[in-house]
Amino acid sequence: EAQVTQNPRYLITVTGKKLTVTCSQNMNHEYMSWYRQDPGLGLRQIYYSMNVEVTDKGDVPEGYKVSRKEKRNFPLILESPSPNQTSLYFCASSQGLAGRGDTQYFGPGTRLTVL
Amino acid sequence: GDSVTQMEGPVTLSEEAFLTINCTYTATGYPSLFWYVQYPGEGLQLLLKATKADDKGSNKGFEATYRKETTSFHLEKGSVQVSDSAVYFCALAFSGGYNKLIFGAGTRLAVHP
Repeated sequence: EAQVTQNPRYLITVTGKKLTVTCSQNMNHEYMSWYRQDPGLGLRQIYYSMNVEVTDKGDVPEGYKVSRKEKRNFPLILESPSPNQTSLYFCASSQGLAGRGDTQYFGPGTRLTVL
Repeated sequence: GDSVTQMEGPVTLSEEAFLTINCTYTATGYPSLFWYVQYPGEGLQLLLKATKADDKGSNKGFEATYRKETTSFHLEKGSVQVSDSAVYFCALAFSGGYNKLIFGAGTRLAVHP
């Protein structure tokens, strides 16, 4: 089954404790992205990747890191989480660019709470 | 900057009612337009899309037409079901190297029997 998986689905942590949210897709997609969803703001892009070792900032990259060492995986790293990073996070992948009409496939989401 | 504005929810309807969720956009060029749906506890799924002016996207009884003159992409369905209860997001994306969707705030739809 074609899918994007994320782990963990739920996480409660404390300020400053480094964490990683994993994302994996089995569709051999070139493009992957991370978004955060906050009430009243919709989804905002954090980082995106166009291929292995190619990543770039989205609209809200502060406080986050990413890496793309393998095509299928795109982990999101919070090196020193803060309460304003409490949010619902989604990973997405696509074969082509959204601007050309390609469908983005989203993972189930990771709900993060930073105390 | 580029942005998407959706009608505020929640929208509450009875089963078989007609649905309209308004979406307008501000953009410097001619983006592709999308509607994504998020069912409770799940990620977003593409509902429909249109990549150029006057295109109509349709799926599962939903439809939306890309109106360049009014910069709109309103979502409609003639007869909603309880199973349509979800959050609906309008989004746009530009061609070019940036693989980014710009989303509206989302509109929650609740359909009652």
